[in-house]
Amino acid sequence: GDSVTQMEGPVTLSEEAFLTINCTYTATGYPSLFWYVQYPGEGLQLLLKATKADDKGSNKGFEATYRKETTSFHLEKGSVQVSDSAVYFCALTPGSGYSTLTFGKGTMLLVSP
Amino acid sequence: EAGVAQSPRYKIIEKRQSVAFWCNPISGHATLYWYQQILGQGPKLLIQFQNNGVVDDSQLPKDRFSAERLKGVDSTLKIQPAKLEDSAVYLCASSLARGGSSYEQYFGPGTRLTVT
Repeated sequence: GDSVTQMEGPVTLSEEAFLTINCTYTATGYPSLFWYVQYPGEGLQLLLKATKADDKGSNKGFEATYRKETTSFHLEKGSVQVSDSAVYFCALTPGSGYSTLTFGKGTMLLVSP
Repeated sequence: EAGVAQSPRYKIIEKRQSVAFWCNPISGHATLYWYQQILGQGPKLLIQFQNNGVVDDSQLPKDRFSAERLKGVDSTLKIQPAKLEDSAVYLCASSLARGGSSYEQYFGPGTRLTVT
C-alpha cells in the first residue's frame, strides 16, 4: 500500500536558519503530495501541495518540489522564525481521484530565538 | 467562516467504558472524515462519509467503533468498549467533495482521549 516516510525529529534550529525536512513516498500511479502543519493545541492545516511531477508548492516562505524520479517531496524554508515551531506532516492522496490522505509520522520543528 | 468544530476537547475514561465524540463540519461540506492520531504517529483514516453515506470504513475496528452522520451534517464517533490502545487524538475533517486532491480537507482541533 501507499506510505510516506519522514525524517525523525525534533529538528532544532536557530531563528533565520535554513530548514529542510525530508519526505519520501511509495505509491502506485500518480499521487498528489501535501505538507500539513500542526501548531500546538490546534488542528492540522494545509501548508502546501503539488499534484504532478516537477510541480512546486509554496506558501508562507515554505516550498517543496514533487520529484517523481526520487519519489521525494522535501520541505524547505530559507529563514525560519520562532513562530514556525510546529509539527510538520507529509502526506499523499492516490492519483485516481480519491481523497483519502496517507500521512507520515510527522517531524517536530523547534526554533529558538 | 467557522471551522470544523469538535467536542469534547479532552476525555478520560476507564477501559471497557464507552465514549462518544461529536463533529460539526464546515457548512456545505459534503465529505466528512474521522482520523485517529496515536502519539508519535501521523493521522490514520478511520471512516469517510459522503453526505450521510459511508464511502470508506476499511480501517474502522467495527467490533468496537461505530460512526454515523445523520442528515449529512453532524457526525458522532463512538467507542464501546474502550481499550487502552484507543488512547489517541481523534480528528474530524471535512471537504467540499470527495473526488480529487483539489478538495482541501479542513481539520478540527481534535479530541484527546485517554483510556486508563
